[in-house]
Amino acid sequence: QKEVEQNSGPLSVPEGAIASLNCTYSDRGSQSFFWYRQYSGKSPELIMSIYSNGDKEDGRFTAQLNKASQYVSLLIRDSQPSDSATYLCAARTMNDYKLSFGAGTTVTVRA
Amino acid sequence: DTAVSQTPKYLVTQMGNDKSIKCEQNLGHDTMYWYKQDSKKFLKIMFSYNNKELIINETVPNRFSPKSPDKAHLNLHINSLELGDSAVYFCASSQTGANTGELFFGEGSRLTVL
Repeated sequence: QKEVEQNSGPLSVPEGAIASLNCTYSDRGSQSFFWYRQYSGKSPELIMSIYSNGDKEDGRFTAQLNKASQYVSLLIRDSQPSDSATYLCAARTMNDYKLSFGAGTTVTVRA
Repeated sequence: DTAVSQTPKYLVTQMGNDKSIKCEQNLGHDTMYWYKQDSKKFLKIMFSYNNKELIINETVPNRFSPKSPDKAHLNLHINSLELGDSAVYFCASSQTGANTGELFFGEGSRLTVL
């Protein structure tokens, strides 16, 4: 079983819609969670981090964490064509430098 | 001013050759990583150094040898290259502590083994 799992997609949404990405993790000791965005041919860049249960909002992005369900999600509101990318979910356990990544969800925003 | 820089960006080489990739970060971070991203885009940790000390050594063939001369530099040497080594290798850095996991990636080094 992979440590972090994501729907690979692709997820296609019209411009202006909400894109919803889901991620589950298997290690109950995971404490910190991250969303990275990776444009084609580029390196991953951090867009959100979340450490406690609930919602965290940053601009058009909202991360949601439910540790009881071992579930992390990312909502992208008012999706723009520039949001078209692969989104990587990652998890880390406390006192561990290792960051485990999911396989990524590819999002395409249709103009 | 590039935060995490890798060289070279592209390597094309024959099976059996040896190659090295260099990485430098100017963010003042004390932890550096090598990740491998295969053709399916799966990003997998290979090694990590914290203040020049090896702290993560995943199941990686012995042909791969990392070296960190100081906390701002992390190099990767690969011996006897195989076809399956073809991938993009990313260097990354982070600060130790609560923000470990907030990684800054280099641009990647695309290795093609023929």
